[in-house]
Amino acid sequence: DSGVTQTPKHLITATGQRVTLRCSPRSGDLSVYWYQQSLDQGLQFLIQYYNGEERAKGNILERFSAQQFPDLHSELNLSSLELGDSALYFCASSPATSGNTIYFGEGSWLTVV
Amino acid sequence: LAKTTQPISMDSYEGQEVNITCSHNNIATNDYITWYQQFPSQGPRFIIQGYKTKVTNEVASLFIPADRKSSTLSLPRVSLSDTAVYYCLVAPLGWRGANNLFFGTGTRLTVIP
Repeated sequence: DSGVTQTPKHLITATGQRVTLRCSPRSGDLSVYWYQQSLDQGLQFLIQYYNGEERAKGNILERFSAQQFPDLHSELNLSSLELGDSALYFCASSPATSGNTIYFGEGSWLTVV
Repeated sequence: LAKTTQPISMDSYEGQEVNITCSHNNIATNDYITWYQQFPSQGPRFIIQGYKTKVTNEVASLFIPADRKSSTLSLPRVSLSDTAVYYCLVAPLGWRGANNLFFGTGTRLTVIP
C-alpha cells in the first residue's frame, strides 16, 4: 500500500458525459501528479500540482482539468468523454516538487461506452 | 532533456539473472537515474535509484558506467512474480518541469517457468 488513495476504482460512463476522479495523497505529501495509461500503452503524464498550485503540465486535453484543494486532495475532471478516453488513470504523490521518488495509487479504471 | 531508450520486451527463464539496459545519451550532470516496476493494472513502484557506479538494494542492482550514458538494471534469479514492465527514468533530483516526468514505454519482462 503506497498510501495514495484513489476513488472510484472502477467507473463506466457514456460518451459525452463528465466524470470526476479523486485522489488523496500520502500524508504530508504536497505534490500530486496525474497520469493516463491506455491499454498496453505507457504512462502519459497529464498534470502536476504542488500545494494547490499547478506546477507542470503534460499532454492533458482541454476537455480535462484538475485541481488540488487546501486539504491537498486532488480531483481530475474529464468532460465530453470519448471512447478513446477509456483508460487507467493514476494519481501519484511526492513530498515536494523536489521529490525524486513518487508514489502511485492503484488507479481508477474508466470505461467509456 | 534526457531521452531514454529501452528494449520493448525481454523474456527470461526462472532463476536466471536479468539485465535491462537503458540508454540516455543526453543525460545531464544533475540527472539521477531511477527505475520503476509496474505490474498489470497497478501503479508503478520505485525499485532503485543511482547517480554513478553501482547501487544495490534488496531487490536489484543498478550499474552506471563512468560516462553515465546508459544504465543497467540487474534482477538476480528472477521468479515468475518479476514479470512486469520496467521503466527507466532520468531526471534531476528536483524533477522540475513536465518533461522530466515522462516514463516512456518501458521494458516488458516476461519470466518463463
